[in-house]
Amino acid sequence: GAVVSQHPSRVICKSGTSVKIECRSLDFQATTMFWYRQFPKQSLMLMATSNEGSKATYEQGVEKDKFLINHASLTLSTLTVTSAHPEDSSFYICSANSGGAETQYFGPGTRLLVL
Amino acid sequence: EDQVTQSPEALRLQEGESSSLNCSYTVSGLRGLFWYRQDPGKGPEFLFTLYSAGEEKEKERLKATLTKKESFLHITAPKPEDSATYLCAVQAPIQGAQKLVFGQGTRLTINP
Repeated sequence: GAVVSQHPSRVICKSGTSVKIECRSLDFQATTMFWYRQFPKQSLMLMATSNEGSKATYEQGVEKDKFLINHASLTLSTLTVTSAHPEDSSFYICSANSGGAETQYFGPGTRLLVL
Repeated sequence: EDQVTQSPEALRLQEGESSSLNCSYTVSGLRGLFWYRQDPGKGPEFLFTLYSAGEEKEKERLKATLTKKESFLHITAPKPEDSATYLCAVQAPIQGAQKLVFGQGTRLTINP
């Protein structure tokens, strides 16, 4: 149980384009989903927390207009990187937990490369 | 400010050589301490959650323990497939919304 999927697993795009990453909880309802970014040989940095049906809460320093998060259902959250630039290239990972449970289960990650 | 420090940064062991990884934390009101395993290019895989000092949990060759200031991940007779980065994270009410604060991780390499 507690399986989280992400799509795509890898994406390459041109500078200035937008990229959408999907995060799905496959066998549980995720009341809260989290989006992280991880640079090479560094730990996970939380970008934002999203609750189903409400606006995401962004961490300090994360541009909410650049990283659009939608949590429209209890099993799906999306992260859209708008007008991507090379410095946005990173490993993006989502996680989810169900109501009342503290443990976060992570997706496999999405490698974004902006040329 | 809540902080998590993991040591060592990297550890190389021979197959069968037992050791421990350390996670020191400073947090206002620990709600839970989590251990994850992360393989290169993949998302973290959940291992354990510890809630109170004195608690211990085991899974195969791994055992996690918790005190009021630190947690240890003991690995007994490791195998090459145990090679990974091990991440420790804490959750504290002050952070709100069940947020996790991660340490930098320990890169563990088990040589055959």
